[in-house]
Order: sequence, then structure tokens, then C-alpha cells
Amino acid sequence: DIVMTQSPDSLAVSLGERATINCRSSQSVLYSSNNKNYLAWYQQKPGQPPKLLIYWASSRESGVPDRFSGSGSGTDFTLTISSLQAEDVAVYYCQQYYRTPYTFGQGTRLEIK
Amino acid sequence: QVQLQQSGPGLVKPSQTLSLTCAISGDSVSSNTAAWNWIRQSPSRGLEWLGRTYYRSKWYNEYAVAVKSRITINPDTSKNQFSLQLNSVTPEDTAVYFCARNSHSEGRPFDYWGQGILVTVSS
Repeated sequence: DIVMTQSPDSLAVSLGERATINCRSSQSVLYSSNNKNYLAWYQQKPGQPPKLLIYWASSRESGVPDRFSGSGSGTDFTLTISSLQAEDVAVYYCQQYYRTPYTFGQGTRLEIK
Repeated sequence: QVQLQQSGPGLVKPSQTLSLTCAISGDSVSSNTAAWNWIRQSPSRGLEWLGRTYYRSKWYNEYAVAVKSRITINPDTSKNQFSLQLNSVTPEDTAVYFCARNSHSEGRPFDYWGQGILVTVSS
């Protein structure tokens, strides 16, 4: 199985400041046939299912604010929130969909400082 | 707009079978591009993919090794839904269960999710 490891486990950032969350996969999730990284980022708020933010490591899902961005390739990835808003308080997960079993990181809890 | 609506009991006794259903609107369980997944979430295990069913000229199922001996995921084309059965449950199966859609061929991860159902295994 591909193991996904996020850092940090929790993060406190001031409103308007940048938040950065890292994710590492135990194997590359770069699909050679299309040169796409099969890595997604989700946001989860209490009592809700995870919401897709980013797919292919850096493509923003429709309707997701442009303050959310993803980067990285191969095994190392980053989710950046450029200017933290109050509504961004949530737990964030990375996930590989390169192959089954699909696996998730342990989550990063983002709070307001 | 795709919507997934989950239904099923929130309490199951140990050793019995957990059964949940996910009704699909806005897409087809027989889609040639989508796959229909079950995922659970618990404090001890985090988000855990359990398995999926999908149609590519015939039906396929894939299951996580950890539950492979106990799980069945079935499509129901007449009702455009799919189901999860997990046999011989123990308290460790207590979790919020989600259904979700993805499409590997289109490079799509879990883009639509059901609302989630908390299933508690307890006598």
C-alpha cells in the first residue's frame, strides 16, 4: 500500500497569513502515461464529508477559491492557502488515487492563531 | 449535479451484518467512467477506503485487504444505487461510513460524497 504522511499534524495561522501543509507518499504517484500526479487534497469540516479542493496535485476543483493552491510531484506535495480566512478552519487531507487501495494522510488540523 | 444519498441503520450488534445503501442521482451506477466507493472514518483508523464497484462492459469489484473476507459491494441498476455489506462486525467497525464517486480513467478522485452515516457496533 502507498503510505501518505502529512506534516504538521496541526497548524495555527493568523488571519490573512499563509498556511502550508505538506504531504509525502511512500511511492511516486506520477502516472507516466499522462505525466499527471494522482494526488488530491480535501477539506473537512465537522459533521461533513471531505470536500475536494485539488486534484492532479495542482488543479483546483471548480468553485474552490483561488487562495487554495497545490504543488509538487512524484512523492512530495504541498497545499498552500495564500491568505487564511476564518472559514478555512478545518482538517485537511491528502490522498493518492494512483492505485488501489486508495490511501489518505492522517490529516492536518488548521486553526486560527 | 451528482448527488449521493446514504441510508441504513446507525446501530448494529456485534457479529451481525452492517448494511448501507447509496442512492445515486445525476449519474449512473452503470457509468463506463465512474467507480462507486465506500470509505469509512474513525478516530483510530482515519479515512479508510473499503472498496468499490464499477462497470466496464462487465461488473468489477475491488476490496481493501483488511476487510476482504467480510465485505460485499453490490450495484443495483434497477434503483441506480449501490450497497455495502460488512459481515461479522465488531466494535472496531464503529465509524462514519461514506459513499463516494471517482473516475480513475478521467483522473478524478472522490469528487462527490454521500452525507455519511455513523454506524455504532454495540450490543
